[in-house]
Amino acid sequence: DVKVTQSSRYLVKRTGEKVFLECVQDMDHENMFWYRQDPGLGLRLIYFSYDVKMKEKGDIPEGYSVSREKKERFSLILESASTNQTSMYLCASTGFGAQESYEQYFGPGTRLTVT
Amino acid sequence: QKEVEQDPGPLSVPEGAIVSLNCTYSNSAFQYFMWYRQYSRKGPELLMYTYSSGNKEDGRFTAQVDKSSKYISLFIRDSQPSDSATYLCANSLGETSYDKVIFGPGTSLSVIP
Repeated sequence: DVKVTQSSRYLVKRTGEKVFLECVQDMDHENMFWYRQDPGLGLRLIYFSYDVKMKEKGDIPEGYSVSREKKERFSLILESASTNQTSMYLCASTGFGAQESYEQYFGPGTRLTVT
Repeated sequence: QKEVEQDPGPLSVPEGAIVSLNCTYSNSAFQYFMWYRQYSRKGPELLMYTYSSGNKEDGRFTAQVDKSSKYISLFIRDSQPSDSATYLCANSLGETSYDKVIFGPGTSLSVIP
């Protein structure tokens, strides 16, 4: 019943390191999203993609970039990790399933700690 | 003013109680209203998805939208300990399937056996 998977559940990185977070979905969804979730702030959208090689900035794109070379894979890149990027990172995909019903699934999340 | 607001709780109820979770929003253009359940250390799971005003029922869950007062509710009947989770409300303009979804901060619910 795998739908959205993320490469790591827990990650610890040092300040200044380049960090890659990978997300893969198996539902042939067109749209993929990266959020971060922080206590009291809810989920905030970092980037999203509505097609291969397409990307759009969300609300908080600074310090992040993304890559979508294949439909099923959406990567989030922290160019130079900083302590304020310590957070839970969640990937999601959306699309239309059987009978045009809206579908949305989240991955299990990656808890990133930057020291 | 935040676009979507929820009381963070925590809300604690005895098993079998009716739970009412509430959410307000500020953008009258929102057309799609969602409720998510998030268990500890897991990603959110879409529970209910409604369009415009009105009620939608799914088993023990009922979602209610009042666009005139920009107020949405989720009712859980016969609450179970397995309902203990954080509940997020979210809204979207809904013009495309990739429209931005705006989330509230979530309400933490504990159902005590």
